[in-house]
Amino acid sequence: KAGVTQTPRYLIKTRGQQVTLSCSPISGHRSVSWYQQTPGQGLQFLFEYFSETQRNKGNFPGRFSGRQFSNSRSEMNVSTLELGDSALYLCASSTGQHNEQFFGPGTRLTVL
Amino acid sequence: GNSVTQMEGPVTLSEEAFLTINCTYTATGYPSLFWYVQYPGEGLQLLLKATKADDKGSNKGFEATYRKETTSFHLEKGSVQVSDSAVYFCALMDSSYKLIFGSGTRLLVRP
Repeated sequence: KAGVTQTPRYLIKTRGQQVTLSCSPISGHRSVSWYQQTPGQGLQFLFEYFSETQRNKGNFPGRFSGRQFSNSRSEMNVSTLELGDSALYLCASSTGQHNEQFFGPGTRLTVL
Repeated sequence: GNSVTQMEGPVTLSEEAFLTINCTYTATGYPSLFWYVQYPGEGLQLLLKATKADDKGSNKGFEATYRKETTSFHLEKGSVQVSDSAVYFCALMDSSYKLIFGSGTRLLVRP
């Protein structure tokens, strides 16, 4: 089975812009979760989608949003970028139960 | 709230040495526990998991036992290799399906 794929792998944006990141889960997986990884805050949960519905949301401002399509692919959007949004954004897929989550390689976002 | 605490790194070992990375957790109920590994420039790879008390997860020579009485899930390997150099994350899955991670422990194995 193909693993979790994320595009693009690298992005450079400037403050105030917006960005959209994409994640394709493992075939058959209906849950997609997003995490932000920074040196200062570590790994933090952003949100989780299951069958096109947001099932859980972390403690991030409303500038961070996401969605999931009927084929389980997911996108996350960050509007009005700030310098502090520079991070590795990781997507993980699972069957949606209390099972392991499988991670993609991440998208490295740099905000200048 | 739920949380995971890992030992501070970096941990520096010589090849073939014994490895222990300590992990303790605070949680309501009985969460599933995981170890993930991250190599430079990559995402997280699932190393092993345990879903209930006294379960032992194992993979690639790594082991960890779910200890409910001490709320611990320490990672061990009998003989490390240079290729094991990476950052290791302990995590629990809470009741809302999200992973809560420890701060990570960097392991450096010298030849």
